[in-house]
Amino acid sequence: DTAVSQTPKYLVTQMGNDKSIKCEQNLGHDTMYWYKQDSKKFLKIMFSYNNKELIINETVPNRFSPKSPDKAHLNLHINSLELGDSAVYFCASSHWGQGQETQYFGPGTRLLVL
Amino acid sequence: GQQLNQSPQSMFIQEGEDVSMNCTSSSIFNTWLWYKQDPGEGPVLLIALYKAGELTSNGRLTAQFGITRKDSFLNISASIPSDVGIYFCAGTYNTNAGKSTFGDGTTLTVKP
Repeated sequence: DTAVSQTPKYLVTQMGNDKSIKCEQNLGHDTMYWYKQDSKKFLKIMFSYNNKELIINETVPNRFSPKSPDKAHLNLHINSLELGDSAVYFCASSHWGQGQETQYFGPGTRLLVL
Repeated sequence: GQQLNQSPQSMFIQEGEDVSMNCTSSSIFNTWLWYKQDPGEGPVLLIALYKAGELTSNGRLTAQFGITRKDSFLNISASIPSDVGIYFCAGTYNTNAGKSTFGDGTTLTVKP
């Protein structure tokens, strides 16, 4: 059974397009995250949601808009895609409170903007 | 903000050798974590450390939470080819609402 799943796994698109990435977890966690991993493998947090409420919002362009319809889902919509948005985007989830630092990552979405 | 320096950046070793990597921070953390990322996959938690001085093992892996709370190391004994991947340290501080700061990763290559 997949614990944290993301779709799509690969996304190739043109500059200026709008795209969405979806994430679902079946671990019963109440906190979910989006990370960006660049070509140098640096892993940076973008957003986190707890019980559908935005908790962490790092310095991310407002072209990126996360949405959490329920505790098990966190989607990421990106408007007006730019070349620099090319990266691997990872979703993760954890419990809130004790153990929240232990995060479970999805397999990643490889975004290539042409 | 908090920064983590992870070293070495990469390692090329022979199968059977022991490996050591470490992470240092400019500020203290309450929790240190070590993750491994296989090629094409997401990071997977290897070891979590919760107390200064704590030494924890997971099979051939051993990690320690530094006394100063500003550093941690990970050792891998008797490496095998499937140890290949990127190893990330991460630190969290309670008031950061679960936000983990990640190191830049150590890329490990094991030659059979």
